[in-house]
Amino acid sequence: QVQFVQSGAEVKKPGASVKISCKASGYPFNEYAVIWIRQAPGQSLEWLGWINAGNGYTKYSQKFRGRVAVTTDTSATTAYMELNRLTSEDSAVYYCARERRGGYLDYWGQGTLVSVSS
Amino acid sequence: DIQLTQSPSALSASVGDRVTITCRASQNINTWVAWYQQKPGKAPKLLIYTASTLQSGVPSRFSASGSGTDFTLTISSLQPDDFATYYCQQYDTDYTFGQGTKLEI
Repeated sequence: QVQFVQSGAEVKKPGASVKISCKASGYPFNEYAVIWIRQAPGQSLEWLGWINAGNGYTKYSQKFRGRVAVTTDTSATTAYMELNRLTSEDSAVYYCARERRGGYLDYWGQGTLVSVSS
Repeated sequence: DIQLTQSPSALSASVGDRVTITCRASQNINTWVAWYQQKPGKAPKLLIYTASTLQSGVPSRFSASGSGTDFTLTISSLQPDDFATYYCQQYDTDYTFGQGTKLEI
């Protein structure tokens, strides 16, 4: 079955970077895109970046462009999201998800909590 | 950016009730809308895509409709497991989500 397993919770200082992994299994990794979404406490969902796992093409939310990078290791069927120059406003749960047919998200990781505090 | 406005933000209902949640887009998004259910501490779960197509395994009491700028999600007869927060998402241009509708007992 399709499954995403994300790396564990992170605690970071302001100004630091965080890199989260998302291990995919149960489907041909190269045939789908992976998207990264975050959810601040009590808030809605917000997308950060997207990667075509087949060709490595990426696109980013304008809000995070220049501060976020999404990559994949196809041999390890793993996607990564790195967010730089963290502030307290980046404290959130970060999810990876599989994108289907141009935009809806049918499988999600369990989420990774990132806490940013001095 | 395309904005999505859900209403209501919160809704109290009882088991067996029929409920409808609305999602309005700031511009035409055709039928590029999905709906998700999220329970506390869990990832969102896909319910509906392309505005009205039920995801495999989702109970038939869930239905949705709409096109252009106005969309609805309906639960025909609420079950205890349905009390959760619901989000709409557009994928016409990039990706945005509504602010959520919390469905409470």
